[in-house]
Amino acid sequence: GENVEQHPSTLSVQEGDSAVIKCTYSDSASNYFPWYKQELGKRPQLIIDIRSNVGEKKDQRIAVTLNKTAKHFSLHITETQPEDSAVYFCAASTSAWGGGSYIPTFGRGTSLIVHP
Amino acid sequence: DTEVTQTPKHLVMGMTNKKSLKCEQHMGHRAMYWYKQKAKKPPELMFVYSYEKLSINESVPSRFSPECPNSSLLNLHLHALQPEDSALYLCASSRDRNSPLHFGNGTRLTVT
Repeated sequence: GENVEQHPSTLSVQEGDSAVIKCTYSDSASNYFPWYKQELGKRPQLIIDIRSNVGEKKDQRIAVTLNKTAKHFSLHITETQPEDSAVYFCAASTSAWGGGSYIPTFGRGTSLIVHP
Repeated sequence: DTEVTQTPKHLVMGMTNKKSLKCEQHMGHRAMYWYKQKAKKPPELMFVYSYEKLSINESVPSRFSPECPNSSLLNLHLHALQPEDSALYLCASSRDRNSPLHFGNGTRLTVT
């Protein structure tokens, strides 16, 4: 099936530093790439997304870049704060179930720890 | 607050029980999903109901069965579960399959 690879699995930074999380996908037909943040014991929530007709999108301290040729996209968090500590998941619509049916598939997640 | 409502929040059931998880959304979304999430793992998609069509992850055992009474509800019926089925079950909805997922708060299921 189609995979969404995510790295690193754990990222530890000092408050104020930048954090970068990277994902790759294999299906060239994928065209929607969201990022979700999941705090401990809570539901995943969308923080930013990007579509295949855009190369970069920014929302305050958070940005996402997409390289369709290389099939990878990245999440950038600047000026990290302790409340940014959470698990971050990338996702892509892939044909993981076959038959031309596209489903949102998650990367394995990155545990971001921001030390005060 | 979440726009996707899941009940119950917690459920403990024996292996011979039959129970149902309920999920409701009133955003007019055309796609609804059930995900299973184990600790320290990503959500794993079990079922998708979109545009009146149900898609099934073939790796999901038949002891899980979805039901869609209408476009706002997607229930998950549970029967003869195993202890390894204990997990957080998340329901989500989206406008279509290429739109953000809106998750409910989940049902924490424990099978004893």
